Amino acid sequence: GDSVTQMEGPVTLSEEAFLTINCTYTATGYPSLFWYVQYPGEGLQLLLKATKADDKGSNKGFEATYRKETTSFHLEKGSVQVSDSAVYFCAEYNNNDMRFGAGTRLTVKP
Amino acid sequence: GAGVSQSPSNKVTEKGKDVELRCDPISGHTALYWYRQRLGQGLEFLIYFQGNSAPDKSGLPSDRFSAERTGESVSTLTIQRTQQEDSAVYLCASIPDSNTEAFFGQGTRLTVV
Repeated sequence: GDSVTQMEGPVTLSEEAFLTINCTYTATGYPSLFWYVQYPGEGLQLLLKATKADDKGSNKGFEATYRKETTSFHLEKGSVQVSDSAVYFCAEYNNNDMRFGAGTRLTVKP
Repeated sequence: GAGVSQSPSNKVTEKGKDVELRCDPISGHTALYWYRQRLGQGLEFLIYFQGNSAPDKSGLPSDRFSAERTGESVSTLTIQRTQQEDSAVYLCASIPDSNTEAFFGQGTRLTVV
């Protein structure tokens, strides 16, 4: 079946550093792509999404661009904050099938 | 209801006992997923239901695990003869229709002692 591969963590950054978390997917066709975030002690919530090729999803300073040619949806943020410390999950949804990556734990230190 | 509801929120059970976890999806959502999240780990797909189609059970780790859903309503995940390795948070998510956002419940934290 389809799968999502994302950068293994944990990732530790200093405040204001640049963040990239890589994500690639295997679904053929045109899946929808998502990033979910799980803050400490909380449930998963949608961070951003893109539903077609070349779309850019953005929210809270995070961005990800749907790249069909490389089957990727890398998450980026120009300047991370301590409050961004969380686990980030990449996901694809295609033909009624939603698959998640293993998650990447991000810790931002002041 | 306003969101996906899971019960119980916490369950402690003795090894060898059976447990039943419940998920109430958002009304009208056609797809429902169960995932397992062990401490510090990612999401492990267990099973998904889409309308009245046969469920995709490919993620169930053993025959001790089973799940049911009637139509587009409540789902129950049953774990028989629980083992300590079953200790995890069990998450349910529902999706309204194709290629849209998944809405997660708060999960059931299962501890097998």
